[in-house]
Amino acid sequence: DSGVTQTPKHLITATGQRVTLRCSPRSGDLSVYWYQQSLDQGLQFLIQYYNGEERAKGNILERFSAQQFPDLHSELNLSSLELGDSALYFCASSGDTFSSSTDTQYFGPGTRLTVL
Amino acid sequence: GESVGLHLPTLSVQEGDNSIINCAYSNSASDYFIWYKQESGKGPQFIIDIRSNMDKRQGQRVTVLLNKTVKHLSLQIAATQPGDSAVYFCADLPYNQGGKLIFGQGTELSVKP
Repeated sequence: DSGVTQTPKHLITATGQRVTLRCSPRSGDLSVYWYQQSLDQGLQFLIQYYNGEERAKGNILERFSAQQFPDLHSELNLSSLELGDSALYFCASSGDTFSSSTDTQYFGPGTRLTVL
Repeated sequence: GESVGLHLPTLSVQEGDNSIINCAYSNSASDYFIWYKQESGKGPQFIIDIRSNMDKRQGQRVTVLLNKTVKHLSLQIAATQPGDSAVYFCADLPYNQGGKLIFGQGTELSVKP
């Protein structure tokens, strides 16, 4: 158990809908990361937040957005869902050193999103 | 461009043998590399990391080797056990891009009893 929790574990929805994925980082971790894992694209970095502020961004679609709240939990919002958005979405968290991007990232169990 | 590639998509070894999983990277500016293990239905689990100022780093039953000349990374698992069966990913951290890890496609390791 990494200490990172994600809810829900599974999510089934229809095209065009909007969903919210939730992540609670390990106790004390200030950075939260979101990754998407699909069969054709592998593990892809989406976005990173540090203590409530966006710190790094990957090839995240405009239909996707994220935020980190004062209690450090994070939410990933996916809207206007398409079939191709079906994937595993992982959250990771890491330590409290802004200057050290090499803090180990610990991954949660993921949310499996199925868009029908 | 940035990419991390793996030489073999699958690897099958006998229990007790040593396993070697290879990885090539293209970004010469990367200075930090990590190996993750992902078991079925679970998230990636950190195994070991290495910085570019090192050639070798050892953990418990695992060793990572880094050859910057040919941009090659390998993970060696000693005395492979059935519990080592999983997909193994290498990842690199491009310089000055926060915590953005670039993952390879993964190698599936199967351990035969």
